[in-house]
Amino acid sequence: GQQVMQIPQYQHVQEGEDFTTYCNSSTTLSNIQWYKQRPGGHPVFLIQLVKSGEVKKQKRLTFQFGEAKKNSSLHITATQTTDVGTYFCAGGTSYGKLTFGQGTILTVHP
Amino acid sequence: DAGVIQSPRHEVTEMGQEVTLRCKPISGHNSLFWYRQTMMRGLELLIYFNNNVPIDDSGMPEDRFSAKMPNASFSTLKIQPSEPRDSAVYFCASSSHAGGEQYFGPGTRLTVT
Repeated sequence: GQQVMQIPQYQHVQEGEDFTTYCNSSTTLSNIQWYKQRPGGHPVFLIQLVKSGEVKKQKRLTFQFGEAKKNSSLHITATQTTDVGTYFCAGGTSYGKLTFGQGTILTVHP
Repeated sequence: DAGVIQSPRHEVTEMGQEVTLRCKPISGHNSLFWYRQTMMRGLELLIYFNNNVPIDDSGMPEDRFSAKMPNASFSTLKIQPSEPRDSAVYFCASSSHAGGEQYFGPGTRLTVT
């Protein structure tokens, strides 16, 4: 079945440093979605990418979808303590099923 | 607007007991998903429904797990009999259309002793 691998598993940064997490799928994806989960909370949708090579920005967050639609990345510029949490990518099929990566746990030291 | 509602928020039960988790999706959403989250296995899709019909139940661990969606506003996930390895946080999520963004409920933290 479809597998989605995400690295790194953990990332510790000083406030103000940049952060990147990478996602790779074993199969070509219909779309990729990114979610954020705060400690003790539930996953919250951030963005969806659909087109090959697509790049989207949300303030300090930049999302990319690879040309082959099998990989993606999330980059945060100048991290803040409010960015703490686990970031998940999720590979989507056309009929709605999402396969989540293992997530990257981000800690930000003030 | 209320989000996805799950109950109970916490459940502690003894091995062998039946457990029923409940979910009310966002009104108007026609896709509903049940996930399980553990440290070891991450976030796993158990089953999902489209227009109240189960589409993919390949993630259901075994026959002890069953899920129903009798109408568009209610779904249950039942574990019978429960085992300690079922301890996890169970999330329900809904989406307005297949392939769209998913809205997660607050989760049910299940502990089986």
